Amino acid sequence: ETGVTQSPTHLIKTRGQQVTLRCSSQSGHNTVSWYQQALGQGPQFIFQYYREEENGRGNFPPRFSGLQFPNYSSELNVNALELDDSALYLCASSGQGSEQYFGPGTRLTVT
Amino acid sequence: QQQVKQSPQSLIVQKGGISIINCAYENTAFDYFPWYQQFPGKGPALLIAIRPDVSEKKEGRFTISFNKSAKQFSLHIMDSQPGDSATYFCAASLYGGATNKLIFGTGTLLAVQP
Repeated sequence: ETGVTQSPTHLIKTRGQQVTLRCSSQSGHNTVSWYQQALGQGPQFIFQYYREEENGRGNFPPRFSGLQFPNYSSELNVNALELDDSALYLCASSGQGSEQYFGPGTRLTVT
Repeated sequence: QQQVKQSPQSLIVQKGGISIINCAYENTAFDYFPWYQQFPGKGPALLIAIRPDVSEKKEGRFTISFNKSAKQFSLHIMDSQPGDSATYFCAASLYGGATNKLIFGTGTLLAVQP
């Protein structure tokens, strides 16, 4: 059984650019949630995908969007990057129930 | 009403001592309370979780105490070890809800001195 994986590990982008982050869910899990963790803070919920549909969204603007694929892997897309988007982006997968298992994260730096 | 308040912000404990981290929530609909451990540069790892139908859950050196009437829960780490030095986050959510988003506390940086 493989855990949650994310790519890339680190990413540096310029303000105004677009970025795509990827996540592979844990084997047997059909739900993927994305979180943003600013330095020194707790993770903040961005949105969740279940069976390829967005299934709830946190307080993030529409320039944060996502996809889930038939194999339950997922992408997070952020358009028009801002300096405040610099953070660790975490993907978590879950199956039955509420236990969420996190990947290692992607560290995004916007300059 | 969606907040989870966590204290202390940082904690220093001697090896072998007991580490205690506290959290309080407001939304009485929450019914799932996990604790996560996070090392620098890593994602949070699920440590232990509790639902409000029990007042205590123990797994190895880690114990969650839950007080439903006070809307508080805490993590106790017995026999703390230097390897336990990490940031700990409490969280809350609706178990099995349509969107089981986790609401996290602000974290506690634990340092266990040898």
